[in-house]
Amino acid sequence: ELKVEQNPLFLSMQEGKNYTIYCNYSTTSDRLYWYRQDPGKSLESLFVLLSNGAVKQEGRLMASLDTKARLSTLHITAAVHDLSATYFCAVGRSNYKLTFGKGTLLTVNP
Amino acid sequence: NAGVTQTPKFQVLKTGQSMTLQCAQDMNHEYMSWYRQDPGMGLRLIHYSVGAGITDQGEVPNGYNVSRSTTEDFPLRLLSAAPSQTSVYFCASSATGNTEAFFGQGTRLTVV
Repeated sequence: ELKVEQNPLFLSMQEGKNYTIYCNYSTTSDRLYWYRQDPGKSLESLFVLLSNGAVKQEGRLMASLDTKARLSTLHITAAVHDLSATYFCAVGRSNYKLTFGKGTLLTVNP
Repeated sequence: NAGVTQTPKFQVLKTGQSMTLQCAQDMNHEYMSWYRQDPGMGLRLIHYSVGAGITDQGEVPNGYNVSRSTTEDFPLRLLSAAPSQTSVYFCASSATGNTEAFFGQGTRLTVV
């Protein structure tokens, strides 16, 4: 059974600081996704990582994947308030059968 | 450009009632899935479909039925609602290949 563990579950940051969210998964999978969710809203796709060593960046967010360690990281650079949201990683052998982590609630304080 | 459309957005049911959550996509995607989101639990897969006429169970299928008669629609039926089914339900669709899954806006269901 595939298990996905995110940490931390809660993260309070100051604006301008850097931090990393970690996503560990238990069995080999072909793809890893990062999603963002604002309160009361749907999930917004951030990154799709498909191969070992994959690195993708969008603005202040950078995601990487190490399939050998079964670990993905979401790095936040110089956080701003607009990044406050819940971030989920999801893993699966197919894009219709995903296993999600519990999510990381990120709060960026001025 | 509607994407994935879910209806209703909110629903309150009494225990024992039945209802259908609707999901439609206009992207001609082969795959569709239903997830439920509970506080502190992330999203969990209920049922999924890899094409019209083909469905299968996910992690938490009990109490739910699905069918897929067309590519566009994938309704989720609650046969006899229970308070434990109070949740936010998300429908997703995706295409073959290494692509993302697109999520609908969600249906917030409360069973009293």
